[in-house]
Amino acid sequence: LAKTTQPISMDSYEGQEVNITCSHNNIATNDYITWYQQFPSQGPRFIIQGYKTKVTNEVASLFIPADRKSSTLSLPRVSLSDTAVYYCLVGTNYGGSQGNLIFGKGTKLSVKP
Amino acid sequence: GAGVSQSPRYKVAKRGQDVALRCDPISGHVSLFWYQQALGQGPEFLTYFQNEAQLDKSGLPSDRFFAERPEGSVSTLKIQRTQQEDSAVYLCASSFGLAGIQETQYFGPGTRLLVL
Repeated sequence: LAKTTQPISMDSYEGQEVNITCSHNNIATNDYITWYQQFPSQGPRFIIQGYKTKVTNEVASLFIPADRKSSTLSLPRVSLSDTAVYYCLVGTNYGGSQGNLIFGKGTKLSVKP
Repeated sequence: GAGVSQSPRYKVAKRGQDVALRCDPISGHVSLFWYQQALGQGPEFLTYFQNEAQLDKSGLPSDRFFAERPEGSVSTLKIQRTQQEDSAVYLCASSFGLAGIQETQYFGPGTRLLVL
């Protein structure tokens, strides 16, 4: 299981673009990179998933360099409501033997007015 | 449509009491997971059901923890003789198909358990 490293916390201001980088140096060939978001008092929510290059959806973009040893979650023009914890997960089957998600501590993003 | 619901949202128990936490997954979802989340930590896997079959309970911390999903829909996580270290948020998640990288897991809001 690829170990992931991401910043414990980040601060930003409304309207800025936020980039959260996750390091996963020992990512395996079949591993995918998945990001979840968790608001206070809520369960985590799937944001985006990718294997290589760039993936974009209505919420975020995920940039994965050719060596796949890191990935960057990009949130365009954040608002106060983007304040949350963001988790980077790497694995073939989400990491767990039964497809269960294996979370780290995540990155706590605080967006200020 | 309705998402995953959990009840109660908050539970205060005295040490030694038994508690039962309920999860109503999204209708028709085959896979159901329970996670435990301590304060300031990411969720940790407890157990997994595929329909009514409990295929993995390797994350349950002790034999005081028991989970069931008798009809393949609603699930109950039971904790016997609660201890203070059981205080945490218990999250339930479900997915449409067999669990795996292609399946998005949908989480409920969690039950916050406080053992005094």
